[in-house]
Amino acid sequence: NAGVTQTPKFQVLKTGQSMTLQCAQDMNHNSMYWYRQDPGMGLRLIYYSASEGTTDKGEVPNGYNVSRLNKREFSLRLESAAPSQTSVYFCASSFSGLGQKGANVLTFGAGSRLTVL
Amino acid sequence: AQTVTQSQPEMSVQEAETVTLSCTYDTSESDYYLFWYKQPPSRQMILVIRQEAYKQQNATENRFSVNFQKAAKSFSLKISDSQLGDAAMYFCAYRSAVGNEKLTFGTGTRLTIIP
Repeated sequence: NAGVTQTPKFQVLKTGQSMTLQCAQDMNHNSMYWYRQDPGMGLRLIYYSASEGTTDKGEVPNGYNVSRLNKREFSLRLESAAPSQTSVYFCASSFSGLGQKGANVLTFGAGSRLTVL
Repeated sequence: AQTVTQSQPEMSVQEAETVTLSCTYDTSESDYYLFWYKQPPSRQMILVIRQEAYKQQNATENRFSVNFQKAAKSFSLKISDSQLGDAAMYFCAYRSAVGNEKLTFGTGTRLTIIP
């Protein structure tokens, strides 16, 4: 099992450029998430999708858009990158359940380091 | 909104000794999940242990155990017989058991293992 796969792993952008971070999971999870990690601030939720066809804002959604393309894929788009968006981005997925092994536990991708100059 | 606080930015422990990492949280809910995640230098987030709030018994996973104090809203992680491979950032996290499924993280504790 590949688990959660994010691409690209590294990216350097210039201010104002756009890009899309791709995420795919092969665990048949219903929920998917995008987090950003900055030094001293832990992980902060950007957007999440509780199921195919739905998306909701998290703690820091400004400057980002998301698409839940299907159950497997959840992409994060930066329309006009800013230096404040320099960060490590993590995609994660989970499934809900009561008493099921692994339920309600987030599985993370390996992260994508984005630098905006 | 729920908040998670880790008051120890850095901790260190001698190899083979025991260390406890602190975590407190704030919530008005009665049913929720608590987690500890480990992030080694590889950057991968790895689940260490989880606790359901409705369970009074503290969760354990081999050398890792928690002290869950629901009334005090405290969720500390104890690592016994510390090993060099335990060196990492450790994040405490909270998730509601009802409705909203997002995970709220603390700011992390960097654990150093002294050989």
